[in-house]
Amino acid sequence: GAVVSQHPSRVICKSGTSVKIECRSLDFQATTMFWYRQFPKQSLMLMATSNEGSKATYEQGVEKDKFLINHASLTLSTLTVTSAHPEDSSFYICSASLGQGADTQYFGPGTRLTVL
Amino acid sequence: KQEVTQIPAALSVPEGENLVLNCSFTDSAIYNLQWFRQDPGKGLTSLLLIQSSQREQTSGRLNASLDKSSGRSTLYIAASQPGDSATYLCAVRGPGRALTFGSGTRLQVQP
Repeated sequence: GAVVSQHPSRVICKSGTSVKIECRSLDFQATTMFWYRQFPKQSLMLMATSNEGSKATYEQGVEKDKFLINHASLTLSTLTVTSAHPEDSSFYICSASLGQGADTQYFGPGTRLTVL
Repeated sequence: KQEVTQIPAALSVPEGENLVLNCSFTDSAIYNLQWFRQDPGKGLTSLLLIQSSQREQTSGRLNASLDKSSGRSTLYIAASQPGDSATYLCAVRGPGRALTFGSGTRLQVQP
C-alpha cells in the first residue's frame, strides 16, 4: 500500500516549452503533497507544499509563476515548469502524506527533466 | 533555518564490514528523523523513521539512533553487502510536514 507514482519518468524538451509532471497517490488520499528538486550529486530541496483545494506554499527563492502547482484532487498534484530553460534541468520528486498529522511521506520515483 | 549535514560524503568498504553513517541537524525541535536510500537516478526508499521521543529503530541489518538534544543521528549497517551500495539520505521533519534533507552519503560496498 501507499504507492506514489509520477509521470513521466523522463522528459526531454526544448528551451522555452512547458512541461507538466503528474504525481499520483495510487491507493490512498493525500491531503498534502510536496515537490522537491534534486540537482546532480546534491540532496533534495523542497520547492513547495501542495494542499488539496488550495494554493501551494512555495519555499523562498522558488518562482511560483514558473513552477505552477495544482492539487485539484486528493490523489493528484501536478507541477508545470513553464518556459523551461536548461538551468531547470533536474530530478523532480514528489511525496504524499496520508493525512493530517501523518508522519510518513511516501515518495514517487521521480521525473528526470532535461531541457535542451 | 534547519540545516542537515551528513558525514562522510562518500564511503567505500569491503563486503562484510560494519559501518556507521552520521547525520547532524542544527535545530533540535524536530518531530522525527528518517533515513532513506536512493539508488542512482531513482526515487527514495524509506529505511527507518525515528520519532523525536524515540532513541533508536531497527530493521534487519540496519539500526538508527537519535540523540535529539545533541542534534545527531547515526545509521549502523551490519555485515554490509554489495547490494547496500547506494546513497543514504537523512531527513528531519520540523513543525511543518516537509522534510529537510542532508546531502547524503554515497556508499560503495566492494565485493
